[in-house]
Amino acid sequence: DAGVTQSPTHLIKTRGQQVTLRCSPKSGHDTVSWYQQALGQGPQFIFQYYEEEERQRGNFPDRFSGHQFPNYSSELNVNALLLGDSALYLCASSLPLLAGGKNEQFFGPGTRLTVL
Amino acid sequence: AQSVTQPDIHITVSEGASLELRCNYSYGATPYLFWYVQSPGQGLQLLLKYFSGDTLVQGIKGFEAEFKRSQSSFNLRKPSVHWSDAAEYFCAVGRWGSQGNLIFGKGTKLSVKP
Repeated sequence: DAGVTQSPTHLIKTRGQQVTLRCSPKSGHDTVSWYQQALGQGPQFIFQYYEEEERQRGNFPDRFSGHQFPNYSSELNVNALLLGDSALYLCASSLPLLAGGKNEQFFGPGTRLTVL
Repeated sequence: AQSVTQPDIHITVSEGASLELRCNYSYGATPYLFWYVQSPGQGLQLLLKYFSGDTLVQGIKGFEAEFKRSQSSFNLRKPSVHWSDAAEYFCAVGRWGSQGNLIFGKGTKLSVKP
């Protein structure tokens, strides 16, 4: 059983560009959350998708947007990249609450984004 | 405001010694509590979790944690540290009965001396 997978592993972009990161959840999981982890910090919640809709959002600007597909996979898009967007972007998936999910989130290996 | 505090930024212990990593949380609702471990350049691996019931929970790799509601703490312990335990450890809190976001502490980096 594959865990949470993310692509690409690493990415280098320049300021002003746009980037798309991808995530496939663990089998049986329908909820996907995205987190940003800056160097030396804990992960910070960006947003969460369930049933193809954004359900919750953290304190991130509209430059950060996402999408969830019918197969539960998800994309994170960041427009007009800033130097400060350089970070490890983590995707996490969880079981539905009704299936006993209890918000136990399983994390992927992350995508390391460097903005020059 | 909801928050998680890990007071120790960096801890060094000798291999074979015991370990305790501290975590305090501020959360209005009944919390779910988690400890994750992150090796350099890697994602987060769940060590253990507390949802309800017995306040002493056992996790993987010989770790345990104790939930103390009166102290708003969820400290992580291991009786004997191995060199492979060197990593960064994150405490996180989530809302009970919700699939909402997790709030993480800033992490504690553990170094292990031979």
